[in-house]
Amino acid sequence: KAGVTQTPRYLIKTRGQQVTLSCSPISGHRSVSWYQQTPGQGLQFLFEYFSETQRNKGNFPGRFSGRQFSNSRSEMNVSTLELGDSALYLCASSWGHRGQGETQYFGPGTRLLVL
Amino acid sequence: DAKTTQPTSMDCAEGRAANLPCNHSTISGNEYVYWYRQIHSQGPQYIIHGLKNNETNEMASLIITEDRKSSTLILPHATLRDTAVYYCIVLNAGNMLTFGGGTRLMVKP
Repeated sequence: KAGVTQTPRYLIKTRGQQVTLSCSPISGHRSVSWYQQTPGQGLQFLFEYFSETQRNKGNFPGRFSGRQFSNSRSEMNVSTLELGDSALYLCASSWGHRGQGETQYFGPGTRLLVL
Repeated sequence: DAKTTQPTSMDCAEGRAANLPCNHSTISGNEYVYWYRQIHSQGPQYIIHGLKNNETNEMASLIITEDRKSSTLILPHATLRDTAVYYCIVLNAGNMLTFGGGTRLMVKP
C-alpha cells in the first residue's frame, strides 16, 4: 500500500500571501489530521477530518482552515501568512477517527518557509 | 494523557540491539503506549504500540512491564538508518497525538 503523500514538499512564500497544502491518505483511510511542527512548539494539532466533516480543531487562528473531499483527500489553507507560520506541516491518516483510537500514519510533510 | 519520561540521547553500535526505555508511571488502564520515530526533517514514522502485552512486528519489539509503569522499545539489530528521535507516547482513544522531547538515538559504525 502506498503511504500518505503530501504536496508540495517545500514551499517558500512571503508575508501576507496564502498557501494551500494537499494530503492524500493511505487508501481506505477515512480520517485525516493536520499538525504543525516547529522546533520551539513541537507537534501541535491543527484539525481532524473524517468523512468530509471536521471533527476536531486545535487552538489555531481562523487563518488556518481545511477541508476533506469525498475521496478522503484533504487540503489545508493558510491565509495572510505570518513569519511564525514557518513550520513543517504534517498530515496523518487513519482508518477511523481519533475517537476510535486508530493508529495514525504520517506523511513526509510540507516544509513552509515564510519570508 | 499520562506524561512520559525518556532519556535525552543514547548511542548504539551498529548491529547491536538498541533498547530505548520510557517511564509512564501515571498511565491509566485504557491508555496505550505508542512509539514513533522521526528522522531529521521527515514525517514521524509509526513503529509499534501496545496496551498490556508485549508486542513485536517487523520493525521492533515493545516490552511493557507488568505494572505498565514503564516500557522498552527494542530494535534488535540497529543500523545506521535507525538514527532518529524516538518518541514514546501514552494515548487513549479520542486524545490528540503530542510528542515530548523523545530520545535521540545515534547508531554508530
